[in-house]
Amino acid sequence: KAGVTQTPRYLIKTRGQQVTLSCSPISGHRSVSWYQQTPGQGLQFLFEYFSETQRNKGNFPGRFSGRQFSNSRSEMNVSTLELGDSALYLCASSSDGNSNQPQHFGDGTRLSIL
Amino acid sequence: ILNVEQSPQSLHVQEGDSTNFTCSFPSSNFYALHWYRWETAKSPEALFVMTLNGDEKKKGRISATLNTKEGYSYLYIKGSQPEDSATYLCAFKTPASDMRFGAGTRLTVKP
Repeated sequence: KAGVTQTPRYLIKTRGQQVTLSCSPISGHRSVSWYQQTPGQGLQFLFEYFSETQRNKGNFPGRFSGRQFSNSRSEMNVSTLELGDSALYLCASSSDGNSNQPQHFGDGTRLSIL
Repeated sequence: ILNVEQSPQSLHVQEGDSTNFTCSFPSSNFYALHWYRWETAKSPEALFVMTLNGDEKKKGRISATLNTKEGYSYLYIKGSQPEDSATYLCAFKTPASDMRFGAGTRLTVKP
């Protein structure tokens, strides 16, 4: 069974640009969550999607958005990039979003803003 | 505010030592507590999901306990090996919230 796949693995952008990150969950998983990790910080929750609907949203500005497609693949978009957006972005999938189920993480996308 | 605290921040032990670390979370409205291991250059890997007060889980040399009334969970590693070196994360959830992660405990096991 293939794991969670995130693309691209690395990305370099400049301030003001926008970026789209992609996450393909484990086959059959319907819940996808996105997290941001910056140096010295724990994983910060961005949002969770389940069956194409945003079910939960973290405390991030509106420049951060996401969506989920009918095949459960998810994308995350960040507009008007700022230097502070440089981080590792992780997505995680679980079978139904029930927190009794463990999350399965991808390898992440490392985003660097110049 | 759902603060999840982990201690210590980092730990250095010798191969063969047993060790433990703590995850503290709000004791009200508990729903689930997760433990993950995150090795350098890899993705976080689920260790345990715990939901009931008094839960004890074991996976090889690693075990965890849960006290929801006082708001803490312990992770134990018996006979640490160099391959146990990783950051150990706990995450807490209430029914109405997202998953809140602690900052982690970075474990280094010296051969």
